[in-house]
Amino acid sequence: AQTVTQSQPEMSVQEAETVTLSCTYDTSESDYYLFWYKQPPSRQMILVIRQEAYKQQNATENRFSVNFQKAAKSFSLKISDSQLGDAAMYFCATEAGNMLTFGGGTRLMVKP
Amino acid sequence: DTGVSQNPRHKITKRGQNVTFRCDPISEHNRLYWYRQTLGQGPEFLTYFQNEAQLEKSRLLSDRFSAERPKGSFSTLEIQRTEQGDSAMYLCASSFYRGHYEQYFGPGTRLTVT
Repeated sequence: AQTVTQSQPEMSVQEAETVTLSCTYDTSESDYYLFWYKQPPSRQMILVIRQEAYKQQNATENRFSVNFQKAAKSFSLKISDSQLGDAAMYFCATEAGNMLTFGGGTRLMVKP
Repeated sequence: DTGVSQNPRHKITKRGQNVTFRCDPISEHNRLYWYRQTLGQGPEFLTYFQNEAQLEKSRLLSDRFSAERPKGSFSTLEIQRTEQGDSAMYLCASSFYRGHYEQYFGPGTRLTVT
């Protein structure tokens, strides 16, 4: 069984600044994937970034990067140069056995 | 690529009624997933199909919930004898193997049971 915990219900960041969202997980699988999804208000969920657990190198997608600490089962998301359009719910998820297990989410507010 | 579509977008029903939701996946995607998302929570996996075969259904919340994908294209999720606790957003996702099955989500169907 998988569990995902996001300990920050809400975060706030000033436009153009950097923010880090935290996520810890637990899984009994040896081969798994980790994801961050973004869900803007009243809009559908989109994939932000993906990390294969067997890869030591942290994934990066433009302004989004992760800090993957496998031994600590930690998977944080860093958003650089925050933009107003980054305001959304962010969900951390793990995939094993063809299903996604999501955390409770972090609401990110971006201040102009 | 027109994206995953779901209909209806909103459904209000009275307790005890049956409801059915439809999901149309991205055309070449052979896997289709259903999730439930309650207010303020992350989505919760319910079931998934590969083509027309339902490969995992143990996570369906009760025997009132059922899903079908008869021709391996669109899927329906039915809830019989709805209860107020069924009020939630029901999300559909689809995927296709490109080294990994990346899931693309639809906009969801919001169910309100009165």
